[in-house]
Parts: sequence; C-alpha cells; structure tokens
Amino acid sequence: GAVVSQHPSWVICKSGTSVKIECRSLDFQATTMFWYRQFPKQSLMLMATSNEGSKATYEQGVEKDKFLINHASLTLSTLTVTSAHPEDSSFYICSAPNTTGTGLSISPLHFGNGTRLTVT
Amino acid sequence: KQEVTQIPAALSVPEGENLVLNCSFTDSAIYNLQWFRQDPGKGLTSLLLIQSSQREQTSGRLNASLDKSSGRSTLYIAASQPGDSATYLCAVRPQAAGNKLTFGGGTRVLVKP
Repeated sequence: GAVVSQHPSWVICKSGTSVKIECRSLDFQATTMFWYRQFPKQSLMLMATSNEGSKATYEQGVEKDKFLINHASLTLSTLTVTSAHPEDSSFYICSAPNTTGTGLSISPLHFGNGTRLTVT
Repeated sequence: KQEVTQIPAALSVPEGENLVLNCSFTDSAIYNLQWFRQDPGKGLTSLLLIQSSQREQTSGRLNASLDKSSGRSTLYIAASQPGDSATYLCAVRPQAAGNKLTFGGGTRVLVKP
C-alpha cells in the first residue's frame, strides 16, 4: 500500500537553530502534501498545504517565514522550522493523497509517522 | 467554518466489550469522512473511509456509519481487545477545500485485559 515516510522521527535542538523535516511519498506521486502540528493531548491542526512547483499555502495564524515549506519534486516536501523556540516543540505530521495517474485524489490521505520536535 | 467534535474524549472498557465512538460535524457539505487510529507518539493509521454517498463501511471488527444530513458518524469496534487501546480520530474532508482535513479532538480508548 501507499507509504509516506517522514524523517527524522524525533529531533532535539537548541533554541535559535533551524530544523528540517522531510516527507516522502515512497510509491506514489503527490503533487500536494499537507503539514499538521499536534500538541500533547490535542488533535491535529493543519499548518500548510505544500504544492509541487509552487508556493505553499499557509493556514491563518501560521507564520510562513518561520515554517518554510519546499516541495521540490513529486515525492518530497520539506518543512523547515527556522529559529526554533521552545513553544515550537510539538509533533509534526505530514500527509499526502495519492494523485498518481488520475490527478484526482479518490483515496484516503496517507500519513507519515510524525516528527517529535523538542526545542531546549 | 467546519467543526468536528468527538465524544467521549476518553473511554475505558473491559476486554470483550463493544466500543462505540461518536463523531459529529457542523457542516454537512462534506466529500468524505475518515477514521484514524493513533498510538502514543506515532503517526496516523487510516482505518475506514466513508464517501459522502455511502452510509457505512466495514473492515473486520470495525464498522463506521455516516449520517451526513445530521452531521454524525459512529465507529463501532466489536469484541474489543487490549491491542485496540489507542486514540481514535475522525476527520472530514470538506467539498470546497480539496484534500484538507478537519480533525476532531479524538477519543482515547483503553481496553483493560
């Protein structure tokens, strides 16, 4: 079945540094990918939509200069948390619909295993 | 704005008992509804997907129903097992928003042996 790989699975960084998280669709093409954030015991909140070959679309309240998204190919999207602060500590999850062939997603969204970011 | 609510927020049952998880949404104009399972510190595993034209979907011990007009979906898990302990999330895909999902807050399930 369709697999979305997310790397790293966890990362600890110092305040002020930047962290890059990768999201790859392993056996299908994804022209669009979604980045979610989940705080402890809370549900997932959509941060942004990553679009292959064009700018990402950010949800209201999400700083685009802080959360840089690049979708350079049909199988890879990256989220970079710039100048991270402790309040950015969270669980980040990406997802992707399988749009191979038809260009129309009729299948469930597939999720990565998430990245636990801790900023000290 | 679509809002998704899951009740109860937490549920504890003895092994063997059937589980009933509820999900409600405020805007009935949805494309589909999806149920996920999330283990602590892990990503999401898709359990069932119900298209807006469907009334229910079944997979093994799992059955999900959808009543779009009343904005409700129910996930039934028959003969629960300790391995079913996890957080269950429902998410709706709005018709107008492409593939973006709106998630409920989840129901944390504990099945006691």
